[in-house]
Amino acid sequence: AQTVTQSQPEMSVQEAETVTLSCTYDTSESDYYLFWYKQPPSRQMILVIRQEAYKQQNATENRFSVNFQKAAKSFSLKISDSQLGDAAMYFCALTPSNYKLTFGKGTLLTVNP
Amino acid sequence: KAGVTQTPRYLIKTRGQQVTLSCSPISGHRSVSWYQQTPGQGLQFLFEYFSETQRNKGNFPGRFSGRQFSNSRSEMNVSTLELGDSALYLCASSLGTVYNEQFFGPGTRLTVL
Repeated sequence: AQTVTQSQPEMSVQEAETVTLSCTYDTSESDYYLFWYKQPPSRQMILVIRQEAYKQQNATENRFSVNFQKAAKSFSLKISDSQLGDAAMYFCALTPSNYKLTFGKGTLLTVNP
Repeated sequence: KAGVTQTPRYLIKTRGQQVTLSCSPISGHRSVSWYQQTPGQGLQFLFEYFSETQRNKGNFPGRFSGRQFSNSRSEMNVSTLELGDSALYLCASSLGTVYNEQFFGPGTRLTVL
């Protein structure tokens, strides 16, 4: 079984500043994939960024980057130059090779103008 | 390309009834996954179908069932509804490998009275 823990139920950031959302996970699988999904209020969930566990290089997508620490089973998301549109619930998720996504409880990010 | 569609968007049922939810994946996607989202339990995996076969199942009672048709459309059925089944039910489609991004639909909001 796998678990995903997001220890920050809520976070806030000033517009244009940088914020980091934390995620730790546990799995007995050696091969797995990690994701961050964003769910804006009353809108559909969309993928922000993904990381293959076998890759040491941290994934980056424009203003979004991850800090993947495999030994520590940590997968944090950094959002640079925060924008008002980044306000949403962010979910960390994990899947090994069995097509079953396990999500954390989410972090609600507020962006202050 | 049209996104994932779910029907109906909102549903109100009473305890003991049954309900069927529908999900139409993105054209060309052969995998459909279902998730239950509640404030207390967060996002929980229900099951995943690929080419009309259930590939994985979460830890839900047998009252929750699903199927996939040859055109990849999927239905989820819940029998003998309980108050605790009130939730947002999300479906997601993908090309079908574990690394593929899952594209989520808007969800069906089920309220059980």
